[in-house]
Amino acid sequence: EAGVTQSPTHLIKTRGQQATLRCSPISGHTSVYWYQQALGLGLQFLLWYDEGEERNRGNFPPRFSGRQFPNYSSELNVNALELEDSALYLCASSLGGRLYEQYFGPGTRLTVT
Amino acid sequence: KQEVTQIPAALSVPEGENLVLNCSFTDSAIYNLQWFRQDPGKGLTSLLLIQSSQREQTSGRLNASLDKSSGRSTLYIAASQPGDSATYLCAVKTGTASKLTFGTGTRLQVTL
Repeated sequence: EAGVTQSPTHLIKTRGQQATLRCSPISGHTSVYWYQQALGLGLQFLLWYDEGEERNRGNFPPRFSGRQFPNYSSELNVNALELEDSALYLCASSLGGRLYEQYFGPGTRLTVT
Repeated sequence: KQEVTQIPAALSVPEGENLVLNCSFTDSAIYNLQWFRQDPGKGLTSLLLIQSSQREQTSGRLNASLDKSSGRSTLYIAASQPGDSATYLCAVKTGTASKLTFGTGTRLQVTL
């Protein structure tokens, strides 16, 4: 069974540009989560989508947004990129509900120059 | 606000040793706790999931315990191997958001 996949693996953008990151969950999973892992800041929760709806967002500015498609894949968009947005962005998926295990993808390394 | 702490921050042990990694959390009203492994620059590999009603979970050489009332979990690794070298993260799920709150991790190095 295929795991969570993310694309691209690496992304290099300049300050002020927009970045789009993509995630495909494990088949049958309806929930997708996005996390940011910036150097020295640990893993921070960004967004949670379930059944196509945004259910919760972490303490990030509105220029971080996303969506979930009918096939449960998800996209994270970061507008007006800033240098401090450079990080590893991790996507996770799970079955619906709070008791289920989250499975993570390999991540997208975003570098903003 | 949930806060998760992991001690020690780094650990170096010789191959074959048994070791314990610690995780503590401030809000005991958790749904579950997960232990992960992360290799440098890579994603997270889920090792064990403990539901709030459980006391421990085992997988191979790994055993994780949970004491919800005291806000603590330990990950026990038996007979450590160089391949176990990685950063180990614990994360708890609390509240209605379904998000995981992560600790800062323990960087483990197992030497030959």
